[in-house]
Amino acid sequence: SQQGEEDPQALSIQEGENATMNCSYKTSINNLQWYRQNSGRGLVHLILIRSNEREKHSGRLRVTLDTSKKSSSLLITASRAADTASYFCAHYSGAGSYQLTFGKGTKLSVIP
Amino acid sequence: EPEVTQTPSHQVTQMGQEVILRCVPISNHLYFYWYRQILGQKVEFLVSFYNNEISEKSEIFDDQFSVERPDGSNFTLKIRSTKLEDSAMYFCASRDRVGLEKLFFGSGTQLSVL
Repeated sequence: SQQGEEDPQALSIQEGENATMNCSYKTSINNLQWYRQNSGRGLVHLILIRSNEREKHSGRLRVTLDTSKKSSSLLITASRAADTASYFCAHYSGAGSYQLTFGKGTKLSVIP
Repeated sequence: EPEVTQTPSHQVTQMGQEVILRCVPISNHLYFYWYRQILGQKVEFLVSFYNNEISEKSEIFDDQFSVERPDGSNFTLKIRSTKLEDSAMYFCASRDRVGLEKLFFGSGTQLSVL
């Protein structure tokens, strides 16, 4: 089954605006992570939120987690052109699993 | 900051040929992974490796694939007989703790099978 679905699939905003991306998942989780991928490059870890946390901040990033709805959101405030990238949520696939499963990602374009 | 290193950055091969993709994980890390990403698609898990053995693998990781940690620093992915559909970006990743924490990714090897 498809896990870690982000929406929207693509998002285009003006520099200075806020960008919100959402993620849904199906299994129980220990934590949920967000990664960023610049075009043609590797993934870079942005932030990790544990299942007993509801909100976490890191610089211009704010992540929320609602385990009852099995959903998370990533907010980037005051976006910059350099934030243009794809953003993926990811989680470990279940009890005893070493597999970090990624969603399809949101492609964010920030227009200067 | 320590990083995961992958070589080569690009590999072109003929269908049916064997390829070996190489990775040097971060030195004190314990868990090693290979993922792949077909152009425009999601990042797919291939295999995880811990304590010198495969801990988990996906359906993609069939008998044509193998992994090895030959010398305590390198971590390799071998595809025995490449197919056109193996064309993808292959990412190596590692992590350092028993807990389910973040992964550190290399920049990837773009494999093109002709």
